[in-house]
Amino acid sequence: DAKTTQPPSMDCAEGRAANLPCNHSTISGNEYVYWYRQIHSQGPQYIIHGLKNNETNEMASLIITEDRKSSTLILPHATLRDTAVYYCIVRLLSNAGNTPLVFGKGTRLSVIA
Amino acid sequence: DAGVTQSPTHLIKTRGQQVTLRCSPKSGHDTVSWYQQALGQGPQFIFQYYEEEERQRGNFPDRFSGHQFPNYSSELNVNALLLGDSALYLCASRYGRMNNEQFFGPGTRLTVL
Repeated sequence: DAKTTQPPSMDCAEGRAANLPCNHSTISGNEYVYWYRQIHSQGPQYIIHGLKNNETNEMASLIITEDRKSSTLILPHATLRDTAVYYCIVRLLSNAGNTPLVFGKGTRLSVIA
Repeated sequence: DAGVTQSPTHLIKTRGQQVTLRCSPKSGHDTVSWYQQALGQGPQFIFQYYEEEERQRGNFPDRFSGHQFPNYSSELNVNALLLGDSALYLCASRYGRMNNEQFFGPGTRLTVL
């Protein structure tokens, strides 16, 4: 079962920042937070991941709380093409081989013109 | 550089039949994972192949089997199809078994009548 809780849906106005929350209160010290998104009729697409520090790349920023029990994915300037289902995933990475991605139902983000 | 490709894109079968789905990983990738995504749900991990062996398996019955070829491409076989096997089947690839981003293909939509 997924170890994360996300709101089922959110709306965001085009050009505004989209802030997608995720709760992972049972996360352990060696588990990472991953975000993927799935645009309609496509396979999931990797966005970003982090352990405890905030991370930023060309797609998004990931803010992880100090106690690591929750995180927020930020799309700084949402466009219509960002409309998708966003999945927050907690994942163990180790030298023995990383664990599979365990997807929940995600958050359906609708970007509105 | 082609990404992950899957064939066929759509498939219709009847209960009790057998089906084979195919996946070619992204260039340079040697690890392939398969996921099943029912309508309205997140993808569920089926199994992972590396060096032509099944390395990890999710909670799926033995009717689901796979194979990886020396060129790293992979097949997913499902025997004795049930109506509940209707889903989008996703293939994901990465380099090595360790801490690298997975790339997903567009999936094969299987309908069992």
